[in-house]
Amino acid sequence: QVQLVESGGGVVQPGRSLRLSCVGSGFTFGIYTMHWVRQAPGKGPEWVGLISDDGTRKYYGDSVKGRFTISRDNSGNTLYLQMNSLTAEDTGVYFCARALSSAWYSAYWGQGTLVTVSS
Amino acid sequence: QSALTQPASVSGSPGQSITISCTGTSSDLGVYNYVSWYQQHPGKAPKLMIYDVTNRPSGVSNRFSGSKSGNTASLTISGLQAEDEAYYYCNSYTTSSTLVFGTGTRVTVL
Repeated sequence: QVQLVESGGGVVQPGRSLRLSCVGSGFTFGIYTMHWVRQAPGKGPEWVGLISDDGTRKYYGDSVKGRFTISRDNSGNTLYLQMNSLTAEDTGVYFCARALSSAWYSAYWGQGTLVTVSS
Repeated sequence: QSALTQPASVSGSPGQSITISCTGTSSDLGVYNYVSWYQQHPGKAPKLMIYDVTNRPSGVSNRFSGSKSGNTASLTISGLQAEDEAYYYCNSYTTSSTLVFGTGTRVTVL
């Protein structure tokens, strides 16, 4: 069955960087668009961005554009989220998700990894 | 890109039908049919319930249905059950090639 496991979360100081990983299994990783979605404590989900199956197309939400970078390693079934210049507003649970055959929908989700930006 | 607008809460008795609205603009769901709905139970990841306005992924109950008219999309839950108590979020593609979620609706089964 489809499984997604995020890692890399933790406590980080404002202004610092952090890289999250998401390992996929149970499906052919390299043929699906992948998404990152985050959720601040007590708030609704916020779309962070996506990367196409071959990694050539990337789209980002306005609040992270220019600071976050999504990449992938299809040979290792791994999705990454590089987060720079972190602020307290970036605190939350970060989910990776696999798209449906249509790229714009997140059909399978990981359990999430918590990122806390605090001094 | 502003969040899509949803009512904060909707409630109904078991067996009843409820409808959740999601209002956008001419920059998102008013011009695209890339509209989806997600269900989220506390402490869990969201679950895709509806995509392309009206389609259900495999395994989602046919008690869930979606529609759209103009700038407003709707999710209807028929035959409300206790397990349907959760938060529901709409989502739409936008003219900026991004995705935007709704503000969220808490569904309570009385």
